[in-house]
Amino acid sequence: EVQLVESGGVVVQPGGSLRLSCAASGFTFDDYAMHWVRQAPGKGLEWVSIISWDGGSTYYADSVKGRFTISRDNSENSLYLQMNSLRTEDTALYYCAKDVAARHAEYFQHWGQGTLVTVSS
Amino acid sequence: DIQMTQSPSSLSASVGDRVTITCRASQSISRYLNWYQQKPGKAPKVLIYAASSLQSGVPSRFSGSGSGTDFTLTISSLQPEDFVIYFCQQVYITPLTFGGGTKVEIK
Repeated sequence: EVQLVESGGVVVQPGGSLRLSCAASGFTFDDYAMHWVRQAPGKGLEWVSIISWDGGSTYYADSVKGRFTISRDNSENSLYLQMNSLRTEDTALYYCAKDVAARHAEYFQHWGQGTLVTVSS
Repeated sequence: DIQMTQSPSSLSASVGDRVTITCRASQSISRYLNWYQQKPGKAPKVLIYAASSLQSGVPSRFSGSGSGTDFTLTISSLQPEDFVIYFCQQVYITPLTFGGGTKVEIK
C-alpha cells in the first residue's frame, strides 16, 4: 500500500524558514516524480513544485520561485520542501503527491494527508 | 501561465441527477487535463486523467471529455457520496494549474 506521510508543519513568523518532509513507502520511490501541492484554509488547490525521479529536474510555481526548494533523498525514500522568506500568504495545508510518471507531470495518483503551515506573527 | 476556469463554482442537484462541470483553459492543452474529487478534510483523489481515462476503481458514472481548451466532467447519476468538491488540473506545461473548484451540493 502506498503511503505518503508529511511532517514539519508548524506556526512560524513572517520571514522565517521551515523544512517539510514527506516519508514515502509502499512503492519504488525513485521510479516516480513527486510534487508539493498546497491548499489555503477554505480555498482551492495550488501546485507548488515538482521534482523528477532523480532530482535532476525541478520546477516551481511563480509564487514560491526563489524562496522554496524541493529536494529528495532516494536512499531514504523522502521528499523535502525547504521554505524560506515565508509570507502570511504561504499559510496552507501542504500535501506531497506521487505522480505516475518519472520525469514530468501526468497525474497525481497518491496524496499524503497534509501538514499545516501557519505563517503568523 | 495557463489559467483554468471552472464553471459553475457551485451547483445544487438531487440524487440521481446528471451533472456536468466545465473546465476551460486559457490556451490549448491538448488532452493534458485531469479531474480530482475532494471530500471534506481529505486529500484530493484522481477521477479522470488525460481528459477521458477513468482511474482504476472509480465508478463508471464518472466520465470526462474534451480537448484543446474545453473539457467536461459528467456524473451520470449523482450518488450521496458525490456531493463534494471537484477540481480540474492542466499538466500540459509548468507551472501546473488547477481550476477554482466546483462544489456539488444537495438540492
